[in-house]
Amino acid sequence: QQQVKQSPQSLIVQKGGIPIINCAYENTAFDYFPWYQQFPGKGPALLIAIRPDVSEKKEGRFTISFNKSAKQFSLHIMDSQPGDSATYFCAANRGSARQLTFGSGTQLTVLP
Amino acid sequence: DAGVIQSPRHEVTEMGQEVTLRCKPISGHDYLFWYRQTMMRGLELLIYFNNNVPIDDSGMPEDRFSAKMPNASFSTLKIQPSEPRDSAVYFCASSQTGLNTEAFFGQGTRLTVV
Repeated sequence: QQQVKQSPQSLIVQKGGIPIINCAYENTAFDYFPWYQQFPGKGPALLIAIRPDVSEKKEGRFTISFNKSAKQFSLHIMDSQPGDSATYFCAANRGSARQLTFGSGTQLTVLP
Repeated sequence: DAGVIQSPRHEVTEMGQEVTLRCKPISGHDYLFWYRQTMMRGLELLIYFNNNVPIDDSGMPEDRFSAKMPNASFSTLKIQPSEPRDSAVYFCASSQTGLNTEAFFGQGTRLTVV
C-alpha cells in the first residue's frame, strides 16, 4: 500500500496560532518522511524531513512529530505568520527507492 | 545554479495537438522526475530517470504520454495527441544519488488543452 493520507484539506488560523497537519501511511517500509511547502505558481520545496528513528524534529518554527507505532506523522508550525500561507504536502519514500509518494496537500491560510 | 528550469511556463493547445514540455535539471543531479499536479489527484509521479535511463514509468497514464532524456541536462515530456483531461501543472524535479536526498522542483508548466 503506497498511499499517504493527509488531513485536513484546508486550514485557517490567526497569526500566532499553531496549525497542525496530519499524515498517515500504511507501508511500513517507508523510512523517510519529508514535508514540502508550495506557494502559488511555484514548485514544491523541501521544508523539513524526518526518519522514523526519531520521534520529533525541529527546524526553526517547524516541527515534525512522528509516531512509528501508529504510522502517523504531523507538521506543527509555531507562531504562524501570514507568510506561511501556502499548500503543504507530506510525503514518504523507502530506502533506495527514489520516488516520493505525496499526500493530497493542505492549503493553509494564516490571517493577519 | 539556477535550479531546475522548465519551459514553457504556460501552454495552451487545442485537443489533438502534440505538446512537448521541457526540463533542464540541476547540474550534477543524476535523478530526474516528472510529476503531474491536479486538484483531483494531487501530485502524481509519472516517470523518473537515473543517469538518463528510465527507471519507472508506471505512472504514465497512457500511451499518449512519452518521456525522453537524451543527455544529463535535458528531458522532454510529450503528449500526443493531447486531450482536455491532460490539463494540469507538470513539474520536473531532480536529485542526486544518496539516501533520501532532497528533490528540487522546477516552477512547473501549466498546460491547458481546449
